[in-house]
Amino acid sequence: DQQVKQNSPSLSVQEGRISILNCDYTNSMFDYFLWYKKYPAEGPTFLISISSIKDKNEDGRFTVFLNKSAKHLSLHIVPSQPGDSAVYFCAASDRGSRLTFGEGTQLTVNP
Amino acid sequence: DGGITQSPKYLFRKEGQNVTLSCEQNLNHDAMYWYRQDPGQGLRLIYYSQIVNDFQKGDIAEGYSVSREKKESFPLTVTSAQKNPTAFYLCASRILPGASYGYTFGSGTRLTVV
Repeated sequence: DQQVKQNSPSLSVQEGRISILNCDYTNSMFDYFLWYKKYPAEGPTFLISISSIKDKNEDGRFTVFLNKSAKHLSLHIVPSQPGDSAVYFCAASDRGSRLTFGEGTQLTVNP
Repeated sequence: DGGITQSPKYLFRKEGQNVTLSCEQNLNHDAMYWYRQDPGQGLRLIYYSQIVNDFQKGDIAEGYSVSREKKESFPLTVTSAQKNPTAFYLCASRILPGASYGYTFGSGTRLTVV
C-alpha cells in the first residue's frame, strides 16, 4: 500500500524555466509534508516543508503547494538551475510519526 | 561538526555472509532509522528506534537485525536470510518530539553481494 506516490519517475527542463514536481498521498491523517533532494551516492538533504494548516510555503526559488482536498502537493523550482539536477523525494508524517517517502522523481535541468 | 556517519561507504558481501553497517550520530537525536533505496522504489523503512534498547520493525525488516545499546549508535546487520541485499542503505535520525519532523540523513552505504 503506497501511501505517498510520485507518479513521474523523471522530469527534464531547460535552465531558467520552471520545474514542477508532483506528489499524491492517500492517508488523510498526514499533517506534515517534506521534500528532500538527493544526489547520487549521498544521503537526502531537507529542502522545504509544509504543515497541513497551510497551502503554500516559499523559500527562495522553492515553493511547495498543498491541496488537501485533492491530497496533492507539488514542488515548484523557479528558475531551474543545472545544480538542481537530482532525485527529489516527497515525504509525509502522521502526527509526528515516522516519515513515509514516495518513489522519487529524477529532475534533470539542461543548460 | 554534528552529523551522522555511516561506514563503510562501499561494502561487498559474499553469498551466505552476515555483514554489519555502522551508523553513528553526534546530534543527540533520540530516534534513528534505517532505510533501503532501490531504483524506482524510493526509500523503504527497515527498522527504527526511538529510545535506547528499544526498536521496531519497519516495512521490510525480514533478513535484517538491529541493536540500540547507545543513543549514538544504531548498527544494521544484513543477514544471510536477506534474499536480495544489494542496495543503497541510508541511516537517519531526528529529535523527538520534532517540530519539523524532518530527518538528518547519513551519506549512505552501498552494499553489493558478490
